[in-house]
Amino acid sequence: GIQVEQSPPDLILQEGANSTLRCNFSDSVNNLQWFHQNPWGQLINLFYIPSGTKQNGRLSATTVATERYSLLYISSSQTTDSGVYFCAATTSGTYKYIFGTGTRLKVLA
Amino acid sequence: NAGVTQTPKFQVLKTGQSMTLQCAQDMNHEYMSWYRQDPGMGLRLIHYSVGAGITDQGEVPNGYNVSRSTTEDFPLRLLSAAPSQTSVYFCASSWTGLSSYEQYFGPGTRLTVT
Repeated sequence: GIQVEQSPPDLILQEGANSTLRCNFSDSVNNLQWFHQNPWGQLINLFYIPSGTKQNGRLSATTVATERYSLLYISSSQTTDSGVYFCAATTSGTYKYIFGTGTRLKVLA
Repeated sequence: NAGVTQTPKFQVLKTGQSMTLQCAQDMNHEYMSWYRQDPGMGLRLIHYSVGAGITDQGEVPNGYNVSRSTTEDFPLRLLSAAPSQTSVYFCASSWTGLSSYEQYFGPGTRLTVT
């Protein structure tokens, strides 16, 4: 099955800094999502982005399906951005989302 | 809409006990799934369903049973709990139209097996 790898595993930022999180996948995907898991454990949908680029406020995401990666950009980070960021993907012909192991982000005031 | 709801929020079981984790959604989604998340790890798929009466196994199905009698509900049963099943369990749902879908997650159930 598809393998999903995320980098970096851990990231510490000062408030106001920018960051890029990466998600690599081993096969072509037809669905891809980014989630933020906050410190209380809640999973929050950030983007559904099997291809192309989307933006939502300070966050944006780009998926280059032909090169098998997706990027999540966080600009002007805030302490409330802290938590774990997951990407998850499915391949054609299956409904099974496979998750990466996440990037743990800590934003310092 | 309440979205995806899960009960209970917390549960402690003794080894060998059985229980059912409840999941319900009010968005008329065809697809529902169960994941477990162990400390410091990503989510792993246990079972999923693409509609009432249809279920299939995910990555880690052993020790768990599911059934889907209605579109709204997708309970997860632990027949004989083991300490290795201590985890946080998440339920998710989505549409399945046009070969693309976005999942929405419930708040999770934190299960401890002693």
